[in-house]
Amino acid sequence: QQQVKQSPQSLIVQKGGISIINCAYENTAFDYFPWYQQFPGKGPALLIAIRPDVSEKKEGRFTISFNKSAKQFSLHIMDSQPGDSATYFCAAITSGSARQLTFGSGTQLTVLP
Amino acid sequence: KAGVTQTPRYLIKTRGQQVTLSCSPISGHRSVSWYQQTPGQGLQFLFEYFSETQRNKGNFPGRFSGRQFSNSRSEMNVSTLELGDSALYLCASSLGGGGTYNEQFFGPGTRLTVL
Repeated sequence: QQQVKQSPQSLIVQKGGISIINCAYENTAFDYFPWYQQFPGKGPALLIAIRPDVSEKKEGRFTISFNKSAKQFSLHIMDSQPGDSATYFCAAITSGSARQLTFGSGTQLTVLP
Repeated sequence: KAGVTQTPRYLIKTRGQQVTLSCSPISGHRSVSWYQQTPGQGLQFLFEYFSETQRNKGNFPGRFSGRQFSNSRSEMNVSTLELGDSALYLCASSLGGGGTYNEQFFGPGTRLTVL
């Protein structure tokens, strides 16, 4: 059962544009929502994360928006750069005993120069 | 600080064989988690070890097993390999203690190909 649904599967954006990736979850026990960035040949790396008691978190060009009632969260990449071209995964986890990360299916982002 | 290291980086095996993958966590990290990454199923949690004990297990058959040593290094074993086991196997380490989430740092993975 896929507990975190991610869209779109792929995204092409012009340099300087805004990239938006959306995720929705089902399990209300999730209480931490990280986003990972993965380049080819590398493992995923934490980009930014949010807890559900916060509606928005910004770090540089990256912003997470969180809607607890809708059980949705999204990643916005402002001023997208070719170096941002990578696969992005949203994820969710409970901080209790079940600490496994549940990942979305991934979004392959291509930023055109 | 050195990152998470995984060995070997690439591995080719044939059906029916078994394989052991190794993961060395970041110094001071006591939790090691394993994930399988495939184009079709994405990233799926295999299991987590903390202080030499399996703390959580994902929905994988018993052919997949692991262990953790006293120095927090971990190994993952897959017996009776099947073609569908071809994947990138990722190891992630974290501090692991307490009730709150500790960031997981991923290694580069071991690319396993089963022929």
